[in-house]
Amino acid sequence: DAGITQSPRHKVTETGTPVTLRCHQTENHRYMYWYRQDPGHGLRLIHYSYGVKDTDKGEVSDGYSVSRSKTEDFLLTLESATSSQTSVYFCAIRSDVGNGELFFGEGSRLTVL
Amino acid sequence: AQRVTQPEKLLSVFKGAPVELKCNYSYSGSPELFWYVQYSRQRLQLLLRHISRESIKGFTADLNKGETSFHLKKPFAQEEDSAMYYCALSIFNKFYFGSGTKLNVKP
Repeated sequence: DAGITQSPRHKVTETGTPVTLRCHQTENHRYMYWYRQDPGHGLRLIHYSYGVKDTDKGEVSDGYSVSRSKTEDFLLTLESATSSQTSVYFCAIRSDVGNGELFFGEGSRLTVL
Repeated sequence: AQRVTQPEKLLSVFKGAPVELKCNYSYSGSPELFWYVQYSRQRLQLLLRHISRESIKGFTADLNKGETSFHLKKPFAQEEDSAMYYCALSIFNKFYFGSGTKLNVKP
């Protein structure tokens, strides 16, 4: 597996609380992505990053913010979690050389009560 | 707007039968298309990409620009092919995924 880890792997929280998910890579890849996976919707892009301090919105960015202060870490923050944000969140990384393959983390299951 | 459409949520076939997982995309430029697979309790991983025109685990996919399709095919399904399959479209480094098709290969 590519050197990509997500934390926490499981989290239960209450509506209105802030939540931060962390994606850490050891590959020094330029691109990092956050997706959410929901039944019937597949994977939807939340935000992505193309370098330190360089981020852009995806398809479903409302209610989410991200930060990338160093190459290896990409943080996803839910400022005030809602029940609609209950999901499995996947981080992915991608090199800007080679075949452009995405490498995925194991996922973080978030439940908002 | 839905950029990638996978019309089948579930596809059940018997072992040895041919299988085709459908994928249609919406993009007017030159598409970069992929198939990703997620086996039970494993990470999502790349199965194949259209540029390489390779066959992985017996699967092939042909890009049809006229029909804007990138269907995944395998002539003889195996039980170990049972998994969730996602078609993906890359546009300017953003990857858009379909809703996925769960393939169930019965013995």
